[in-house]
Amino acid sequence: DAGITQSPRHKVTETGTPVTLRCHQTENHRYMYWYRQDPGHGLRLIHYSYGVKDTDKGEVSDGYSVSRSKTEDFLLTLESATSSQTSVYFCAISERSATNEKLFFGSGTQLSVL
Amino acid sequence: DAKTTQPPSMDCAEGRAANLPCNHSTISGNEYVYWYRQIHSQGPQYIIHGLKNNETNEMASLIITEDRKSSTLILPHATLRDTAVYYCIVRVSNDYKLSFGAGTTVTVRA
Repeated sequence: DAGITQSPRHKVTETGTPVTLRCHQTENHRYMYWYRQDPGHGLRLIHYSYGVKDTDKGEVSDGYSVSRSKTEDFLLTLESATSSQTSVYFCAISERSATNEKLFFGSGTQLSVL
Repeated sequence: DAKTTQPPSMDCAEGRAANLPCNHSTISGNEYVYWYRQIHSQGPQYIIHGLKNNETNEMASLIITEDRKSSTLILPHATLRDTAVYYCIVRVSNDYKLSFGAGTTVTVRA
C-alpha cells in the first residue's frame, strides 16, 4: 500500500450526530481525495484537495465538509449524519507528472448511520 | 470528461488471456485512458494508462485503437486473484475530478 491510513475502519453512528473520518498519508503527495462507494453507483467523488487549505467540491459534496491543515491529513466531516450517508468511504492520494496521474487508495471506512 | 461504456460482467478461464473492452467514442485529444481494478472490499488499484500508443507493464497491456474511440485491457494470463471489478476511465491531465463508473465485473474461473 502507498502509505495511506484511513481511520476508523468501521463506524456505526446515529442519525444527526457529527462524524469525522481521517485520511493520513506518509507519501507527501499534494493531492488528496474522498470518494464514497455505493451499490449501483460505483465510486463518486465527494471532495478533493490540491494543497494545504485548498479544497474543492466533487460531484456529491452536499452534507459533507473537508479540511486539510497539514499535507498528510485530509479530514471528511459529516456535520449531521443521515441514513443516506451510509456507505464505504475511500481516501485517495495522487502523484503527478506532466503525463501521468496515478491514484492510490486507502482501505476504506465502512460507515453505518442508523 | 468523456464517458466510457463497459460490459457489466464477463467470465474468463484461469490461465487464459482476458480481454476487457471499453468504449470512449467521445474522447478528446488530450484525454488519457486509465484502468483501475477493485478487488472485493479493497480500495481500487491502478493498472495502466495511455494516451494513444499501446502500453504494457507487469500487470497488463493496453491497446488503444487508432481513432482512440475504444480500448482493450489485456490480462495475459488470468489468475483467480484477478477476479475484480475493472474500471475504464478517461480524463484530462490536470483534471482533479476523476469519477468511476460501474466498471466490468470480471470473474476468473478455474
